[in-house]
Amino acid sequence: AQKITQTQPGMFVQEKEAVTLDCTYDTSDPSYGLFWYKQPSSGEMIFLIYQGSYDQQNATEGRYSLNFQKARKSANLVISASQLGDSAMYFCAMSGKAAGNKLTFGGGTRVLVKP
Amino acid sequence: KAGVTQTPRYLIKTRGQQVTLSCSPISGHRSVSWYQQTPGQGLQFLFEYFSETQRNKGNFPGRFSGRQFSNSRSEMNVSTLELGDSALYLCASSLDSAYNSPLHFGNGTRLTVT
Repeated sequence: AQKITQTQPGMFVQEKEAVTLDCTYDTSDPSYGLFWYKQPSSGEMIFLIYQGSYDQQNATEGRYSLNFQKARKSANLVISASQLGDSAMYFCAMSGKAAGNKLTFGGGTRVLVKP
Repeated sequence: KAGVTQTPRYLIKTRGQQVTLSCSPISGHRSVSWYQQTPGQGLQFLFEYFSETQRNKGNFPGRFSGRQFSNSRSEMNVSTLELGDSALYLCASSLDSAYNSPLHFGNGTRLTVT
């Protein structure tokens, strides 16, 4: 079985500063994917970034980067230069080769960016 | 390219009724998945369809069913609605069913059961 843990229920960040959202995972599948999604108050889940279990380098997408530490089973999201529009819920999720593209989600972290 | 489209955005139903939700995937995407999101249980996987076949199913009662059409559009049906079915239902599409194929979600259908 797969498990995702996000230990930060909520956090404040100052505009233009960087913020790190924690995510740890557990799985017995050697082939897996790690994802981060953003959910604004409107409800849509927006795909941000993907990291594969065999990827040697950390994934980056614009202001988003994923700090992948395989031995520690962690996949933290770093948002650089925070903007007011970054205020939202953020979900870490994982898939495994055995279960195809089925995602297991963490409980989420609510981020509020202060001007 | 148009994103995932879900209709309707909001629904209010009474206990015992049934409901059908619709999802149009991103053009070219052949896999469609459904998730339920509630404050108490978080995001939970319902099922996934690929090329009109159910490939994977979550741990939900048989009242929850779905199907996929030849154009990849999908519908989800919930029969004999219960108060606990009130939730945001999210549809997602991806190119295929591979574990490294990112899901792209729609805006969701918010169902309220009274």
